Amino acid sequence: EDQVTQSPEALRLQEGESSSLNCSYTVSGLRGLFWYRQDPGKGPEFLFTLYSAGEEKEKERLKATLTKKESFLHITAPKPEDSATYLCAVQAGYNQGGKLIFGQGTELSVKP
Amino acid sequence: ETGVTQSPTHLIKTRGQQVTLRCSSQSGHNTVSWYQQALGQGPQFIFQYYREEENGRGNFPPRFSGLQFPNYSSELNVNALELDDSALYLCASSIGGQSELFFGEGSRLTVL
Repeated sequence: EDQVTQSPEALRLQEGESSSLNCSYTVSGLRGLFWYRQDPGKGPEFLFTLYSAGEEKEKERLKATLTKKESFLHITAPKPEDSATYLCAVQAGYNQGGKLIFGQGTELSVKP
Repeated sequence: ETGVTQSPTHLIKTRGQQVTLRCSSQSGHNTVSWYQQALGQGPQFIFQYYREEENGRGNFPPRFSGLQFPNYSSELNVNALELDDSALYLCASSIGGQSELFFGEGSRLTVL
């Protein structure tokens, strides 16, 4: 069964304290792995798509990496405005009508 | 460029009632997906519409149904509401064949 597990469930950082969020996945033929940011009461905001092991993408203080079993979202010198829930999702290689399988998210809190 | 818009933003229904949620896709996007997000959980795939036809469905009962219109907007209908249907319902649009989904702000449904 296709599955996505994110850890930790919650993470508290001080401003400037770098860290990483983990996304472990089991999927029959990975078509793509996606990272989203979600603020309370809002819809998810697209961050990155990764397609193959070894791929990396960066955006401001965020960097996403991918291996054959997991993805990491590295946050360098975070600021309070980076506080949000970060969601990881995968799409399987077989025809699932565009279905994304999401993890439960990591709730990040950055204190000044 | 107009993003994904959903209506209503909040609504309260009682058990057994029916509800219709609406979504306008992002300009240039022809595919619409619907997700259900319970509190503290990741979004769960309900179904996807492409060219006015259902293009994939998750593990939701038939009382969850949808439509896509020629202008690519979409509706999600839920009949015989149950308490467990209380959730944030998210609409996402994409360009057919591409996987990046762009989400709306969601419709918060409370079933009493």
